[in-house]
Amino acid sequence: DGGITQSPKYLFRKEGQNVTLSCEQNLNHDAMYWYRQDPGQGLRLIYYSQIVNDFQKGDIAEGYSVSREKKESFPLTVTSAQKNPTAFYLCASSIVVPTYGEKLFFGSGTQLSVL
Amino acid sequence: AQSVTQPDIHITVSEGASLELRCNYSYGATPYLFWYVQSPGQGLQLLLKYFSGDTLVQGIKGFEAEFKRSQSSFNLRKPSVHWSDAAEYFCAVVLTGTASKLTFGTGTRLQVTL
Repeated sequence: DGGITQSPKYLFRKEGQNVTLSCEQNLNHDAMYWYRQDPGQGLRLIYYSQIVNDFQKGDIAEGYSVSREKKESFPLTVTSAQKNPTAFYLCASSIVVPTYGEKLFFGSGTQLSVL
Repeated sequence: AQSVTQPDIHITVSEGASLELRCNYSYGATPYLFWYVQSPGQGLQLLLKYFSGDTLVQGIKGFEAEFKRSQSSFNLRKPSVHWSDAAEYFCAVVLTGTASKLTFGTGTRLQVTL
């Protein structure tokens, strides 16, 4: 089945530690996105990539880094510079459908907590 | 400033009752409008979208939404709620451009009582 796989489902980070969240898609989508979700808030865009080997900062990129070496993969690293990393992280990919426009597909998320 | 507002943080309805979730936007022009649903611990699923044309949009799972330009609103409705509809619902808007410009509301959590 085609889809977006995020792993792990739950992740714990110690103070000063970098952690990497995995996002893999087999939908052959060009564009991929990382969102952060906090309770009572909407989704906020961290980084996005519209093509391999290129990515752009979103609204809250500070303390995060990404890479896009393969079309299928868009890992997110939460660095020690991110002082409040506890959140639910969602990865998405998108495709432009003729007469419909761009359609987002979401993974099932990773809950990151600080020990 | 451009924004999207969901005034209701939490709504409780009885199973079988009708539902309306509110969404208001503040943009200089009519944006593209979306409703997404999120089950606990899961990603978002698109329910429906409005680009242009008929202001009453039908979506999946029996949901519909009506675009009202005069009220800058895009409220989500369902005639009869099922217990499985309990989830969080997000309104989202984008004026132009790609999904990277999508702005999400803060969400409305729907609880369904039996």
